[in-house]
Amino acid sequence: KNEVEQSPQNLTAQEGEFITINCSYSVGISALHWLQQHPGGGIVSLFMLSSGKKKHGRLIATINIQEKHSSLHITASHPRDSAVYICAVRYPNTGNQFYFGTGTSLTVIP
Amino acid sequence: DAGVIQSPRHEVTEMGQEVTLRCKPISGHNSLFWYRQTMMRGLELLIYFNNNVPIDDSGMPEDRFSAKMPNASFSTLKIQPSEPRDSAVYFCASSDWTGAQTLHFGNGTRLTVT
Repeated sequence: KNEVEQSPQNLTAQEGEFITINCSYSVGISALHWLQQHPGGGIVSLFMLSSGKKKHGRLIATINIQEKHSSLHITASHPRDSAVYICAVRYPNTGNQFYFGTGTSLTVIP
Repeated sequence: DAGVIQSPRHEVTEMGQEVTLRCKPISGHNSLFWYRQTMMRGLELLIYFNNNVPIDDSGMPEDRFSAKMPNASFSTLKIQPSEPRDSAVYFCASSDWTGAQTLHFGNGTRLTVT
């Protein structure tokens, strides 16, 4: 079953805190994407991972293929990081279809 | 690149009217997706195309919904007749699945059916 689970569903943090958002999937994947959606805005792809770790500014994404788990970390969080973060996976042998988690709504308080 | 371009950004229409949403994918991308997003159900895949050919339309809610991709640079999603429960944000996304496999979204069309 091609399920994608994210946690937590909602997260409130103080400015400056280290934030972790988790994503788990059920079977082996071809690739995993972390997406960001600001209120009333479009959806932006932050990372695409198939193994290891990627870093972009204050954002770090890791993936553990054996455990079928990925994490998105935000260091020194800022109110402008407030958004919904969505995990999306692509499974092999499903064409190019993506499966989405339900998203994590992050609010960073000044 | 201008990214994935969707039009219109907002659409308000009365129940029973025909609605057409448009999408121009990123040049060179060979996959195009139509998604619907609501508060209750999150992002739902409606249909996707590979090389202009519909691959999976199982997410299309019912016969009132139809999608076409006449060429590699243009796609439409049509709802006829529209109903209030169709109110949602509709996203188009494109991907280069044989290459970098990145996923790019348009800014979405917010549809309100009254």
